[in-house]
Amino acid sequence: KQEVTQIPAALSVPEGENLVLNCSFTDSAIYNLQWFRQDPGKGLTSLLLIQSSQREQTSGRLNASLDKSSGRSTLYIAASQPGDSATYLCAVRYGGATNKLIFGTGTLLAVQP
Amino acid sequence: KAGVTQTPRYLIKTRGQQVTLSCSPISGHRSVSWYQQTPGQGLQFLFEYFSETQRNKGNFPGRFSGRQFSNSRSEMNVSTLELGDSALYLCASRGSGTSIGETQYFGPGTRLLVL
Repeated sequence: KQEVTQIPAALSVPEGENLVLNCSFTDSAIYNLQWFRQDPGKGLTSLLLIQSSQREQTSGRLNASLDKSSGRSTLYIAASQPGDSATYLCAVRYGGATNKLIFGTGTLLAVQP
Repeated sequence: KAGVTQTPRYLIKTRGQQVTLSCSPISGHRSVSWYQQTPGQGLQFLFEYFSETQRNKGNFPGRFSGRQFSNSRSEMNVSTLELGDSALYLCASRGSGTSIGETQYFGPGTRLLVL
């Protein structure tokens, strides 16, 4: 069964701290992996997409890495800010033509001012 | 470009009723997917449409159905509503639907409450 797990489930850090969110998946035959953030009661905002052939992607203070062989991805957030507070979700896509994403359980991040 | 739009944003229904939710993808996007989000189950894939054809379906009962129109707009319908159908329903669109490198863009969701 294809499952995606995120650790930790919740995280609270002081402003300015660097942090790492983890995502693991059971089936390593992925097509790509996408990180999203979700604010309370809102839809999902795409942060980074890593194709299966890539090792990492960067956008501003965010860096996502992918290790297919170990079934893991990490999202690194540098110099965290209160505005980073949200739920972070990773999602894995398998197969060529399908759009189906399998989502992780999410990490609820709180950045304290 | 305008983002993915979903209507209505909030909906209250009673058990046994049916409901239709609408999603307009980003202009030019031909692939639309639907997801259900609940506190207990998280985000779960419902189905995907591409060029008016259902391409993939998740593990949901037949009460959940959908369709896509020639302009790529999509609707999903839930018949005989149950309390457990209360959830945030999210729609996502993507470009050509065949490239492996394309990002999915999500709408704000429709929050359905079944009483």
